[in-house]
Amino acid sequence: GAVVSQHPSRVICKSGTSVKIECRSLDFQATTMFWYRQFPKQSLMLMATSNEGSKATYEQGVEKDKFLINHASLTLSTLTVTSAHPEDSSFYICSARGGQDYYEQYFGPGTRLTVT
Amino acid sequence: GQNIDQPTEMTATEGAIVQINCTYQTSGFNGLFWYQQHAGEAPTFLSYNVLDGLEEKGRFSSFLSRSKGYSYLLLKELQMKDSASYLCAVLLDDYKLSFGAGTTVTVRA
Repeated sequence: GAVVSQHPSRVICKSGTSVKIECRSLDFQATTMFWYRQFPKQSLMLMATSNEGSKATYEQGVEKDKFLINHASLTLSTLTVTSAHPEDSSFYICSARGGQDYYEQYFGPGTRLTVT
Repeated sequence: GQNIDQPTEMTATEGAIVQINCTYQTSGFNGLFWYQQHAGEAPTFLSYNVLDGLEEKGRFSSFLSRSKGYSYLLLKELQMKDSASYLCAVLLDDYKLSFGAGTTVTVRA
């Protein structure tokens, strides 16, 4: 149980375009979903927290107009990278909370974004 | 801000034991996680400690001392497949995870 999927797993896009990444909890209702970014050889950095039906809260330094987060249902959150630039190229990982253990976050497999 | 420190790299021989230390100073604390991450993949859960002491789970053990702000992950009987990055993460008061920079463990034959 407690499986989280992400789609797509890899995406290449041109500079200036927008990309949407989906995060789904497959067998539980996710009260909270988190979005992380990881640059090569670095650790996960939390970008934002989203709760179903409310606005996402962003970490300091993360542009909310550039990284649009929607948490429309208890099983789906989306991250849209708008007007992507090469410096946005990174590994984006989502996690979801709401499974059996209150403290645990279940991670998706990640999305590798490359902006050319 | 949150401060979580762990060594950058460690190397050990197959069959040996390696201990990865993690020290933390955070604004809140609701437990400490250890994750394993292979390159290009998401982190996978190894352990969660919220009380002081040692938790053993097969070849992996994790220890926590809240008063010292200290944890370690012990990997025994190392196998080649254990070569990975190991992440220490603190669960803060608002259920957010704050990660250390990760320790890359290389297992040599």
